[in-house]
Amino acid sequence: DTEVTQTPKHLVMGMTNKKSLKCEQHMGHRAMYWYKQKAKKPPELMFVYSYEKLSINESVPSRFSPECPNSSLLNLHLHALQPEDSALYLCASSQDRYGAYEQYFGPGTRLTVT
Amino acid sequence: AQTVTQSQPEMSVQEAETVTLSCTYDTSESDYYLFWYKQPPSRQMILVIRQEAYKQQNATENRFSVNFQKAAKSFSLKISDSQLGDAAMYFCAYRSSNSGYALNFGKGTSLLVTP
Repeated sequence: DTEVTQTPKHLVMGMTNKKSLKCEQHMGHRAMYWYKQKAKKPPELMFVYSYEKLSINESVPSRFSPECPNSSLLNLHLHALQPEDSALYLCASSQDRYGAYEQYFGPGTRLTVT
Repeated sequence: AQTVTQSQPEMSVQEAETVTLSCTYDTSESDYYLFWYKQPPSRQMILVIRQEAYKQQNATENRFSVNFQKAAKSFSLKISDSQLGDAAMYFCAYRSSNSGYALNFGKGTSLLVTP
């Protein structure tokens, strides 16, 4: 199984809502990532988890709150978002954060903030 | 910080023909990894090919091959016998071997394949 799954596929939320994005992998990978991707742009790294611990936070606003409950699951909690936060949110995983390991990407959650 | 430059925002190729996508990068490191990722419209991003900087031999994966020129800091992707399914956005990416950092992507090249 070389799959990274993400739910939901689409999400529309108001600026006062609280919602969560979910990412799951069962490949035994120990590194998991959240990226934000705007249309026709490359993914921008948000967070990196390594062995269930937050390793990198790319100065992401606190309205985005990541969580790694176990080695297979990664969540991104959203609160008080702005319209400019509308984007495709990609989750990825790799065997380790070091080395030439391939990152496996999920299909993404397309988020619209109204 | 390392920068990755893809100078071709869009490219077009006819089916069965060959196309080369260019990528250059800037780094002071001697050991690193380079990747080409493919993102079809509304579909998942997948790895096309990878190259370890310490390896002199160019990587090849079926119809995909790279021309890795370490001194010139160039990493181009050649797609042979192009197929309609190759149409996608292609991202070149750099990853340091030291910092454990995540991928540093170029801006991408949109490849159109015409029948």
